[in-house]
Amino acid sequence: GAVVSQHPSWVICKSGTSVKIECRSLDFQATTMFWYRQFPKQSLMLMATSNEGSKATYEQGVEKDKFLINHASLTLSTLTVTSAHPEDSSFYICSARRPGTGELFFGEGSRLTVL
Amino acid sequence: DAKTTQPPSMDCAEGRAANLPCNHSTISGNEYVYWYRQIHSQGPQYIIHGLKNNETNEMASLIITEDRKSSTLILPHATLRDTAVYYCIVRYLPSGNTGKLIFGQGTTLQVKP
Repeated sequence: GAVVSQHPSWVICKSGTSVKIECRSLDFQATTMFWYRQFPKQSLMLMATSNEGSKATYEQGVEKDKFLINHASLTLSTLTVTSAHPEDSSFYICSARRPGTGELFFGEGSRLTVL
Repeated sequence: DAKTTQPPSMDCAEGRAANLPCNHSTISGNEYVYWYRQIHSQGPQYIIHGLKNNETNEMASLIITEDRKSSTLILPHATLRDTAVYYCIVRYLPSGNTGKLIFGQGTTLQVKP
């Protein structure tokens, strides 16, 4: 079964609204989680590294005020797309790092459509 | 992280072995080779990883050349459900490091009946 779960699987929202996506590690405590974005027919692009109890580390070109990441517990990281616009429509995927082995497990992804 | 080069697409007949190549000529001694695959509209799935030695698990085999500049993922008996994008990733995984994965373009494997 899945060890990393995302919610919601898909969401449709109006332009200008904010959307929150949750990523949960089910079988282990993850101090580090990663958020990716994927546009159609393209590869995954790393957006940020989410660290439990501290600020996220964003990749170059990713707006931290646009994509708010909170990692308040060892099993939950959230990505909030603020003031979403149609160009933010994408497939958002999270992954969680298992401590010790360093294995990375991916969630099922969340498809965001902004109208 | 070292860059990898993969062919954009490959076909394989159902039941036959699928051999997916990957070049990573700039890999350094402490970087691992990871393989993931992504079936349409799903999150990536871990397949296998290795450092120097060849590796085998229930899903696949990983053959790494002696100079570590290239590797091959082998799916011994491909099925239609193996149709996916396969990503070869070189990952630095020292103690205490986040070990993030940077995805390239991958190889789209089409398994045909």
